[in-house]
Amino acid sequence: NAGVTQTPKFQVLKTGQSMTLQCAQDMNHNSMYWYRQDPGMGLRLIYYSASEGTTDKGEVPNGYNVSRLNKREFSLRLESAAPSQTSVYFCASDRNGNQPQHFGDGTRLSIL
Amino acid sequence: RKEVEQDPGPFNVPEGATVAFNCTYSNSASQSFFWYRQDCRKEPKLLMSVYSSGNEDGRFTAQLNRASQYISLLIRDSKLSDSATYLCVVNAGYGNKLVFGAGTILRVKS
Repeated sequence: NAGVTQTPKFQVLKTGQSMTLQCAQDMNHNSMYWYRQDPGMGLRLIYYSASEGTTDKGEVPNGYNVSRLNKREFSLRLESAAPSQTSVYFCASDRNGNQPQHFGDGTRLSIL
Repeated sequence: RKEVEQDPGPFNVPEGATVAFNCTYSNSASQSFFWYRQDCRKEPKLLMSVYSSGNEDGRFTAQLNRASQYISLLIRDSKLSDSATYLCVVNAGYGNKLVFGAGTILRVKS
């Protein structure tokens, strides 16, 4: 039972580089989410997708884009990485929103 | 004011102690409430949902006070393995979103 799978687990980028964080879930969930977690600030929602074909901004969307490729996959893209985007990124999913979410292992991203 | 507020701790307690955490939320329209546990450098995992009438799961008891807009988590007979950060989670009251508190650190010592 894989649950929610994130790749990569670690990444170091230089300022201005771009990259895409991948997330896939095998629980047939409709809703998927991207969060970032910084020390002392808890989890902050970047973007979410309530269902296949829809995406919406969360609390901190600036500097990010997302794609809900299909029901299973939800990717997060940094077009031009900045040091302020150094963080731990978590992908999560749930059946239909407002329910307990299942999290991936996280991606630790450092931007120099 | 933050949507979900928690005392960051740390709470340092001996094994066997009883410890309680409180969490306050600002949106009176919130309908779903959860406690998550997060171990160091790991992903958050659901500990328990919180129901209006209160609920218990082994050594853990969760309660909801809608009038005062707070949620509590009580841990009895603390174990070393309970050491973690406990996240209070509340739905935003609109849309699909959950709002996470910054967490309370618990350290159980022998």
